[in-house]
Amino acid sequence: EPEVTQTPSHQVTQMGQEVILRCVPISNHLYFYWYRQILGQKVEFLVSFYNNEISEKSEIFDDQFSVERPDGSNFTLKIRSTKLEDSAMYFCASSTLDGNSGNTIYFGEGSWLTVV
Amino acid sequence: AQSVAQPEDQVNVAEGNPLTVKCTYSVSGNPYLFWYVQYPNRGLQFLLKYITGDNLVKGSYGFEAEFNKSQTSFHLKKPSALVSDSALYFCAVSRDDKIIFGKGTRLHILP
Repeated sequence: EPEVTQTPSHQVTQMGQEVILRCVPISNHLYFYWYRQILGQKVEFLVSFYNNEISEKSEIFDDQFSVERPDGSNFTLKIRSTKLEDSAMYFCASSTLDGNSGNTIYFGEGSWLTVV
Repeated sequence: AQSVAQPEDQVNVAEGNPLTVKCTYSVSGNPYLFWYVQYPNRGLQFLLKYITGDNLVKGSYGFEAEFNKSQTSFHLKKPSALVSDSALYFCAVSRDDKIIFGKGTRLHILP
């Protein structure tokens, strides 16, 4: 069964360092997302991406964050200068159509980011 | 604005008993509603969704959910709980081109 894969599964980084989280969405999917979850709590939307551009972003997704689909298969989230409060589980997700169609969004297993 | 609410932080159920995890929604127009489950240290797994049609939706692992328009609810149910059902359950709603999650309900099934 196709699945969303994420790397790394866990990363520890020093405050102020840049981090890149990588994702390979399901191959025929067109919409891509990043969500985050702090300490097993609520899952928060960060950004959605379609047709090589951001379609929507939340207030969490400030200038420190960026997304890219560099090669047609990978979808990356970059945090330019990490802060302690960026420590969270980051989930990549994808879907064939946008969520407004009632389409199912499928999630990866997540990347734990710990900022020290 | 579309949103969902999960009124219970935690639900405890004895193994073999029926379980219900509550969710209410607030949407304009037709609601597209979802349930996801998260096992410890794992990602979010899709369980089921309601788009239109039959109010009783069946999903994975024997779960089902009932869409109730008059009560604006979409409660998750299972007739007989298993210890392995212990997990964090999220109700979600489509909004624009994404889905928005409720705060989650931790389900503990007691042996």
